[in-house]
Amino acid sequence: GAGVSQTPSNKVTEKGKYVELRCDPISGHTALYWYRQSLGQGPEFLIYFQGTGAADDSGLPNDRFFAVRPEGSVSTLKIQRTERGDSAVYLCASSIPGQGVSNQPQHFGDGTRLSIL
Amino acid sequence: AQTVTQSQPEMSVQEAETVTLSCTYDTSENNYYLFWYKQPPSRQMILVIRQEAYKQQNATENRFSVNFQKAAKSFSLKISDSQLGDTAMYFCAFAYSSASKIIFGSGTRLSIRP
Repeated sequence: GAGVSQTPSNKVTEKGKYVELRCDPISGHTALYWYRQSLGQGPEFLIYFQGTGAADDSGLPNDRFFAVRPEGSVSTLKIQRTERGDSAVYLCASSIPGQGVSNQPQHFGDGTRLSIL
Repeated sequence: AQTVTQSQPEMSVQEAETVTLSCTYDTSENNYYLFWYKQPPSRQMILVIRQEAYKQQNATENRFSVNFQKAAKSFSLKISDSQLGDTAMYFCAFAYSSASKIIFGSGTRLSIRP
């Protein structure tokens, strides 16, 4: 079946611009996660949605970052006034609900490589 | 705060050999999950193996097995009969049983030589 889909695969933009990154989770997965992976590092948690609501946004680095999931399926990560330090691979993952989110494995997409010039 | 440490940035072994990747973690909790993820150049994170902290028996998945030492907070991955397709970044990761996020280590780049 179809996995987690992320678009675009690559995005290059200039410093100061606004970007949107899209994640289409596996059908039926109500939990959705965003991670950021800087070069040579492991992924770092940004935000977690259960359905339409953000259950944990403690990883968002500042108020330039925002994410939505209005219908409980597709999610968009939005970054305002981009900075060169925002350059990274942004990974999305989804999972089915269970007793304790970590009981269910998170399925990852291929990520969006964001480059800020 | 919870941390995951992988002290081997890179490793290289010959095809068919056995290789062990090291991982240590820090937590004050008693219930949690540990994972090893594989990330090939395609960037997709693939779950290799998972261990529940309350289980004493080490998890195994075909050629992949772990050595889980709870008291020492150590969680190493052993790959037996390594194959060229095992070449990838390997991330050790930690999550609480009831938490939402996964905490990843910095990774080990594994190369399998023909």
